Amino acid sequence: EAGVTQSPTHLIKTRGQQATLRCSPISGHTSVYWYQQALGLGLQFLLWYDEGEERNRGNFPPRFSGRQFPNYSSELNVNALELEDSALYLCASSSGTGVADTQYFGPGTRLTVL
Amino acid sequence: GNSVTQMEGPVTLSEEAFLTINCTYTATGYPSLFWYVQYPGEGLQLLLKATKADDKGSNKGFEATYRKETTSFHLEKGSVQVSDSAVYFCALSDYGGGSEKLVFGKGTKLTVNP
Repeated sequence: EAGVTQSPTHLIKTRGQQATLRCSPISGHTSVYWYQQALGLGLQFLLWYDEGEERNRGNFPPRFSGRQFPNYSSELNVNALELEDSALYLCASSSGTGVADTQYFGPGTRLTVL
Repeated sequence: GNSVTQMEGPVTLSEEAFLTINCTYTATGYPSLFWYVQYPGEGLQLLLKATKADDKGSNKGFEATYRKETTSFHLEKGSVQVSDSAVYFCALSDYGGGSEKLVFGKGTKLTVNP
């Protein structure tokens, strides 16, 4: 069974540009989560999507947004990129069958903002 | 809010040594607890989990017991190998009030020397 996949592996952008990151969950999983792992800041929750709707977001500005498609894959968009947005962005999925489902992570997208 | 505190390391051990990585948490309610491992250049892999008090999670020789009385979930392994070198993250599931996210500790880098 395929795990969570993310694309691209690496992404290089300049300040002010927009970045789009993609995630495909494990087959059968309906919930997708996004986390940011920035140097020195640890892992921070960004967004949670379930059944196509945004269910919760972390303490990030509105220029971080996303969506979930009917096939449960997801996009994370970061507008007006800033240098401090450079980080590893991790996507996770869960079955969505109940609270505290186990989240399974993808390999991440490394975003570098120059 | 809910939080996780783990020893930050780095931890350096010789092969076959005993490993303990301390993790304590603060939470309302009864969260599930997790240990994830991140190998160099990769995403997070679930190592083990426990969903209620006194549960013991185990995998690949690693163990951790959910201790409600001490709010702890310490990771142990009796004999580490060079291949265990990685960063280990303790996490709890925060699902209060409709929220669904993982709250992570800052991670502990483990290096095992031959």
